[in-house]
Amino acid sequence: EAGVAQSPRYKIIEKRQSVAFWCNPISGHATLYWYQQILGQGPKLLIQFQNNGVVDDSQLPKDRFSAERLKGVDSTLKIQPAKLEDSAVYLCASRLGGQGVYGYTFGSGTRLTVV
Amino acid sequence: GNSVTQMEGPVTLSEEAFLTINCTYTATGYPSLFWYVQYPGEGLQLLLKATKADDKGSNKGFEATYRKETTSFHLEKGSVQVSDSAVYFCALSDQAGTALIFGKGTTLSVSS
Repeated sequence: EAGVAQSPRYKIIEKRQSVAFWCNPISGHATLYWYQQILGQGPKLLIQFQNNGVVDDSQLPKDRFSAERLKGVDSTLKIQPAKLEDSAVYLCASRLGGQGVYGYTFGSGTRLTVV
Repeated sequence: GNSVTQMEGPVTLSEEAFLTINCTYTATGYPSLFWYVQYPGEGLQLLLKATKADDKGSNKGFEATYRKETTSFHLEKGSVQVSDSAVYFCALSDQAGTALIFGKGTTLSVSS
């Protein structure tokens, strides 16, 4: 089966600019996650969707970050305006369901550099 | 809240050496435990997992045993190869199936 697709692979922007990332999960996977991985750290959850509804966005900096999953398939994550500390790899992952028995599949990520 | 602590890296070993990467966790109930690996330039891949106490996960020569009494899930391999060089992440998901919580990662570098 096809994996989790993310684009772009790399992005360089200046601070205060806006940027958007796209994720296409595995077909049929109801649960989708966005993680932020800062260099030298483990991935940190930003937001979790179940179909097109938000399950957990408690760690999403809502003053600048937004995410949507229209129609319960593709998802976009936006940052506006970007700060230097947003430089990180943004990972998308999907699962068939939300319970522990289902495995996660991660995309290759988008590496964002804010200068 | 739930958390994962893993040993600081980097870990530098010679080929065929024994590997241990320590991982301890804090969680209520009985979480599922995972080791993920990230090779240079690639995405996260599941290495192994264990879903209940005393379970042993294994894959590609790596093993980890879920120890409830010590809240640990240490990763071991008897003989590492250069191709094992990567960053290893310990992670947990609680009984409710919440999103994975990761440790900070341990970089392994194996030289021939």
